Amino acid sequence: GQQLNQSPQSMFIQEGEDVSMNCTSSSIFNTWLWYKQDPGEGPVLLIALYKAGELTSNGRLTAQFGITRKDSFLNISASIPSDVGIYFCAGYGPTGNQFYFGTGTSLTVIP
Amino acid sequence: DGGITQSPKYLFRKEGQNVTLSCEQNLNHDAMYWYRQDPGQGLRLIYYSQIVNDFQKGDIAEGYSVSREKKESFPLTVTSAQKNPTAFYLCASSTLEHRGDRNTIYFGEGSWLTVV
Repeated sequence: GQQLNQSPQSMFIQEGEDVSMNCTSSSIFNTWLWYKQDPGEGPVLLIALYKAGELTSNGRLTAQFGITRKDSFLNISASIPSDVGIYFCAGYGPTGNQFYFGTGTSLTVIP
Repeated sequence: DGGITQSPKYLFRKEGQNVTLSCEQNLNHDAMYWYRQDPGQGLRLIYYSQIVNDFQKGDIAEGYSVSREKKESFPLTVTSAQKNPTAFYLCASSTLEHRGDRNTIYFGEGSWLTVV
């Protein structure tokens, strides 16, 4: 199945820095979702986007649904050590009944 | 609490054995899914079901089987035909767009399966 292109693959940042990651697709989507996964745990939904151009925040996290409907980005402001984990995106298209997932961005925050 | 419950969290399988992973949801979602996650890899779809008594193969269904006898339950059996079953397995559920819901997929906490 299709996998979304997610970048960067990994990031090492200092505590307090801002983080930005993005996902792109060759297909258009109706829904973009962002998750955080801690080691050995299931992914937890961070932000859901349902409309092109939509910008949504959840605390220090902000995500946007690209106007082309083929991309989305996630920003984390003022990173803290507990932000460490793997972040990945998911998209749901106008055709078919499947979700497609990015390969994840591994975030390390250095205190 | 509402959510998706997977059990067991850790499971060890001997060569030639079949094992079953349980998944129960109380979100009243129509669709349920099983994914496999290998270290450093993305999610790969094993099976999904959109309605009771119906399910579809995903990208890596060989060596796996499922059933959907109840809306809230979607167990996964890893058969002896699956040659490399050691992985992290995730169950998920979602609403379906044709019902007018915004499609969002939620995950359980995962189950680790190791072949010994």
